[in-house]
Amino acid sequence: QVTLTESGPALVRPTQTLTLTCSVSGFFLTTSALCVGWIRQPPGKALEWLALIDWNGDKYYSTSLKTRLTISRDTSKNQVVLTMTNVDPVDTATYYCGRIVNCPLWTFDIYGQGTMVTVSS
Amino acid sequence: EIVMTQSPATLSVSPGDRATLSCRASQSVNRKLAWYQGKPGQAPRLLIYAASTRATGIPARFSGSGSGTEFTLTISGLQSEDFAVYYCQQYNNWPPTYTFGQGTKLEIK
Repeated sequence: QVTLTESGPALVRPTQTLTLTCSVSGFFLTTSALCVGWIRQPPGKALEWLALIDWNGDKYYSTSLKTRLTISRDTSKNQVVLTMTNVDPVDTATYYCGRIVNCPLWTFDIYGQGTMVTVSS
Repeated sequence: EIVMTQSPATLSVSPGDRATLSCRASQSVNRKLAWYQGKPGQAPRLLIYAASTRATGIPARFSGSGSGTEFTLTISGLQSEDFAVYYCQQYNNWPPTYTFGQGTKLEIK
């Protein structure tokens, strides 16, 4: 069974660095043509793609956020980590990680349940 | 960046009826278009990819069509569990610049 589970702090102070972890099971991060990425959804707003890491470890970022994001992986733990620096209240959102099989030809086929992050002083 | 525009913002339909949702891309995305269903507290659920291919386990009442810049999601015989927010997403480019529409809220009439 394929699952993705996001974890991280529920509350972060402005200007701090946010670190989110996506723990996956049922597949391996190094499987050919497999990617894992992050999206977010601020309350009442649309979904926004953030970052992606492919089976080779190559990384891709949203143009608007690339200076603040870092995506990485720990293949021994089957985890993908997203860090966001200098957070602001506008970064308050539910953050989801998702999987892409047959990457890059297809798109996300499954997401985790998400983790809600509030940025507030 | 490719901008995805969905219409209408809200659609009121009676159970058992048909709902038609639209998605327009600011430039051609070929058939690299997906539809997701969103419900509060739940992960987005993939319904359709490649514009018209139903994802695994998705009922046949969900269908997608279109190519280029104009796409449609049709839900026939609406059931209570179908009332949700629907998002389109393009994945035409590599390196990726995935973008989503702002969503259409499907509500009970």
